[in-house]
Amino acid sequence: DADVTQTPRNRITKTGKRIMLECSQTKGHDRMYWYRQDPGLGLRLIYYSFDVKDINKGEISDGYSVSRQAQAKFSLSLESAIPNQTALYFCATRGSGTGELFFGEGSRLTVL
Amino acid sequence: RKEVEQDPGPFNVPEGATVAFNCTYSNSASQSFFWYRQDCRKEPKLLMSVYSSGNEDGRFTAQLNRASQYISLLIRDSKLSDSATYLCVVGGFKTIFGAGTRLFVKA
Repeated sequence: DADVTQTPRNRITKTGKRIMLECSQTKGHDRMYWYRQDPGLGLRLIYYSFDVKDINKGEISDGYSVSRQAQAKFSLSLESAIPNQTALYFCATRGSGTGELFFGEGSRLTVL
Repeated sequence: RKEVEQDPGPFNVPEGATVAFNCTYSNSASQSFFWYRQDCRKEPKLLMSVYSSGNEDGRFTAQLNRASQYISLLIRDSKLSDSATYLCVVGGFKTIFGAGTRLFVKA
């Protein structure tokens, strides 16, 4: 099993729908991140969390919210999806003592 | 100005060539530096960390110049399997990615 698991892997939805992307990890890391990737723009940070009680906005948090339900779980929500939120979303974790980020396989979201 | 900037490429090189990628970052308080590799539609994976003293891993050499806020990656003897996007990554409280440099290695 993957250390960082994202669900769903693919989702097609309509404008205005509420969407939740879930991320769980078995690495025991405190730090968790949500990124979105668009062609030519690289990965952009949406939200990050250093522990269950710590949530921080990244570069592009507007239109998104997150929930850190437990050390191992970090969910990203789109309350009312819009077409320009169509992208590939990655969850990542990081241990406090190292710099390496470990990524899930990504969630491809299409908003029609 | 973007926090991390890279030449987007693409770089098209023949097998066996040496290719160099550059990256600049804007936050002088940045604490950690990395190169990640990303294959098409896959998750990024760590290629190597970057240290001020420079470091080498086989055909790959990374350099960091803190005074100039500049990071580089050198790939020697390019292989077809090196074709990918290379992401410059700068860490601190946040971890910020460059947009990536696309590399195509041709037979």
